[in-house]
Amino acid sequence: DTAVSQTPKYLVTQMGNDKSIKCEQNLGHDTMYWYKQDSKKFLKIMFSYNNKELIINETVPNRFSPKSPDKAHLNLHINSLELGDSAVYFCASSQDRRGQLHFGNGTRLTVT
Amino acid sequence: AQTVTQSQPEMSVQEAETVTLSCTYDTSESDYYLFWYKQPPSRQMILVIRQEAYKQQNATENRFSVNFQKAAKSFSLKISDSQLGDAAMYFCAYNRNYGQNFVFGPGTRLSVLP
Repeated sequence: DTAVSQTPKYLVTQMGNDKSIKCEQNLGHDTMYWYKQDSKKFLKIMFSYNNKELIINETVPNRFSPKSPDKAHLNLHINSLELGDSAVYFCASSQDRRGQLHFGNGTRLTVT
Repeated sequence: AQTVTQSQPEMSVQEAETVTLSCTYDTSESDYYLFWYKQPPSRQMILVIRQEAYKQQNATENRFSVNFQKAAKSFSLKISDSQLGDAAMYFCAYNRNYGQNFVFGPGTRLSVLP
C-alpha cells in the first residue's frame, strides 16, 4: 500500500564506493524527484523527471546519476562516494504539475 | 529564482495553546501553490496544508490554518490546541503553477511543552 517507497532506509558505506538508491511510486504520478536533506535539515532539489524525461538537473556533481526506467521508478546512482555526500535522500512524486509532493521515507546515507 | 524564508529557526508552545509559524516567499509569478510540511523525528515528510494562490480564502485543516497574504508574500501557519504530537520540523514550500521544482524554506523546529 506504500505510495512512494525507497530502499534502502539506511546505507553506510566507505569513501570511494558506488551505491544506488531505488525509488518506486504506485500513485500513477507523472513526475518524480530526488531531494537531498543535509545535516541542517535543509531540503534541496537534485533532479526532477517527468514521464522518464529529465526536467530539472540542479547543480549536482556528475557522480550522481538518476535513472528512470519507467515513470513509476526513479533510481539514484552515486559514484565515488565522498564524506560530504552523507545526508538523507528523499524520493518524491507529484501529479498534474500542481499537486503536492508525496515523499518516500528517505534514505540516510552515511559515508565513512 | 524563487526563495522561501522561515525566520524562526525554533519555536516552542505550551500544550493546548496556539502557535504561529512564519513564512515569506519571493516570486514574480501570479499563479502558484504554497504548502506546509511536517517532519517528525521519524523523518517522514507529511503534508499539513495546501493553499492555491488564486484562492483568497485561507485554507484550514482541523487544528491547522494559514494566513495567506498574497500582496505581502506571506504564508503563516497557525496551530491551535497544540498537542505533543505536533512537535516536529515544519517546512514551508512553494511551487509555481505547472512547476516541477518545489522550493523549501529552511524549516522551523517546533517544541511542544507539556
